[in-house]
Amino acid sequence: EPEVTQTPSHQVTQMGQEVILRCVPISNHLYFYWYRQILGQKVEFLVSFYNNEISEKSEIFDDQFSVERPDGSNFTLKIRSTKLEDSAMYFCASSERSDSPLHFGNGTRLTVT
Amino acid sequence: KNQVEQSPQSLIILEGKNCTLQCNYTVSPFSNLRWYKQDTGRGPVSLTIMTFSENTKSNGRYTATLDADTKQSSLHITASQLSDSASYICVVSEGGGSYIPTFGRGTSLIVHP
Repeated sequence: EPEVTQTPSHQVTQMGQEVILRCVPISNHLYFYWYRQILGQKVEFLVSFYNNEISEKSEIFDDQFSVERPDGSNFTLKIRSTKLEDSAMYFCASSERSDSPLHFGNGTRLTVT
Repeated sequence: KNQVEQSPQSLIILEGKNCTLQCNYTVSPFSNLRWYKQDTGRGPVSLTIMTFSENTKSNGRYTATLDADTKQSSLHITASQLSDSASYICVVSEGGGSYIPTFGRGTSLIVHP
């Protein structure tokens, strides 16, 4: 069964550095998403992306964050000038349609020190 | 503010027993409600998705119900197995052109042999 893959599985970075989290969505899916889950807390929506542009974003997704689909397969989340509170598990997801079930990757655990 | 509340927070049952997890929401306007299963360290996996007009949906041993009038949903697990041990997350999406989802904190289910 096709799946969403995320790399790296764990990223450690120093405060103030920039990180890029990478995702390969399922190939025939058209909608892409990033979520985050701070340890012990609930999953939070960050952004959805369709037709090469952001379709929805939450209050969390401020100017520190950006997303890109640089080619036909990758979907990236860039976090500029990381802060300690950015430490979390970041999940990528994709879906065929906006109302289809989401298929999540296994996440990238970001640790900011 | 849109909220999704789940109960109980955690639940321990014996293998083979049934259990029911609850979800109450205040999301409005309502688009759909989804139940996800999240194994430790993994991304959530979709179990069911229900729209306004649906009040019951089954997926194997999982049966979800929805009462859109009272804004309540339940997930019933029949004949539990050890592999059912996971966090079960209720997710409600807004309608009216916005599909931003609101996640519950999840119910942590532990199935003992």
